[in-house]
Amino acid sequence: SQQGEEDPQALSIQEGENATMNCSYKTSINNLQWYRQNSGRGLVHLILIRSNEREKHSGRLRVTLDTSKKSSSLLITASRAADTASYFCATVVSSNTGKLIFGQGTTLQVKP
Amino acid sequence: NAGVTQTPKFQVLKTGQSMTLQCAQDMNHEYMSWYRQDPGMGLRLIHYSVGAGITDQGEVPNGYNVSRSTTEDFPLRLLSAAPSQTSVYFCASSYAVGTGRDSPLHFGNGTRLTVT
Repeated sequence: SQQGEEDPQALSIQEGENATMNCSYKTSINNLQWYRQNSGRGLVHLILIRSNEREKHSGRLRVTLDTSKKSSSLLITASRAADTASYFCATVVSSNTGKLIFGQGTTLQVKP
Repeated sequence: NAGVTQTPKFQVLKTGQSMTLQCAQDMNHEYMSWYRQDPGMGLRLIHYSVGAGITDQGEVPNGYNVSRSTTEDFPLRLLSAAPSQTSVYFCASSYAVGTGRDSPLHFGNGTRLTVT
């Protein structure tokens, strides 16, 4: 079964609005990562947050991690049409092997 | 710097045929992995390798073989293709894994495989 589950599965907003995506996971983690996938392309890494961190920023991205609730959120502020993509969370469940397990993703559409 | 290169981009196979999906990276990454992506299922880990000569199974290994004879290459073999293996396959690599050394994955652009 999937380790991570994103919510919502799909999100449609207007340009300039903020977009929030959530990720829940089941087991203890070493870190949690967020990736973006444009249509027909491979995934691109956005941000990594370690299990001992609670919040991290990168440009217009803000990621939070709540290990007690086994959840994370990705906030994209002032969204642009170019942010239209699928977004995936992924968790490292084993520090020895580095196995990275992905959720099912959130499809974001930003309307101009 | 080419990054992660996957070939071919598209492939159509008949049931029972075999083929190898190629993956090469030029970043001297220790860790390499194969995922398949199906609608509504996200990405599922097939096999992974933490270094040359070392491979292990992921979530959905059945029907696939891998080997890692060099740091650069990590081919995925389908010995007898089945329609259930119709999917988009992604190869990914990262610099290092392990406590304190986790680094993000670099993905190839995928191979779209159809098995009829």
